[in-house]
Amino acid sequence: DAGITQSPRHKVTETGTPVTLRCHQTENHRYMYWYRQDPGHGLRLIHYSYGVKDTDKGEVSDGYSVSRSKTEDFLLTLESATSSQTSVYFCATEAERSYNEQFFGPGTRLTVL
Amino acid sequence: SQQGEEDPQALSIQEGENATMNCSYKTSINNLQWYRQNSGRGLVHLILIRSNEREKHSGRLRVTLDTSKKSSSLLITASRAADTASYFCATRNSNDYKLSFGAGTTVTVRA
Repeated sequence: DAGITQSPRHKVTETGTPVTLRCHQTENHRYMYWYRQDPGHGLRLIHYSYGVKDTDKGEVSDGYSVSRSKTEDFLLTLESATSSQTSVYFCATEAERSYNEQFFGPGTRLTVL
Repeated sequence: SQQGEEDPQALSIQEGENATMNCSYKTSINNLQWYRQNSGRGLVHLILIRSNEREKHSGRLRVTLDTSKKSSSLLITASRAADTASYFCATRNSNDYKLSFGAGTTVTVRA
């Protein structure tokens, strides 16, 4: 898994509560991504980071924010969770802008009741 | 938006048979990648084929790319039970470094 961990691995929360998911990497990769995976949709990009404090939006960023204060950590926050954000969330990293592969974490299953 | 679309959505084969799945995409690409996802796990990169390549092999995997038809295929030969997984194609656009994933093909290999 290229030294990528995600925490928590499972979470159940209530609508309206804030939630933060953490991605931690030990590979010193510059690029980090947050995806969500839903049946029939494959993976959709939420936000990505191209360096410390450098982030940008993906295709499904509404309701999500991110922060990256250190190379190794990329946080995804749901400011006020909704049931439509029930999903499996994956973090991925990429060494440099090599157009090559991405390395994925094990995922976080989030259920919003 | 979803760039790649896999076909079929699901595939069930006997151990030892070959499995073929296809991916179609819409825009100009730098490369196309295939990933595998075992149940409850993250995605694992299998193989990458660049836009100027037509065929690539890696072990029991064979990937073809036809840029004129904007399509790719992944062939797994002599399948094993351990090949049971979902397979995703992902395209890296020519002017956009993001990876765009398809919805995947679920492959079941029966013993």
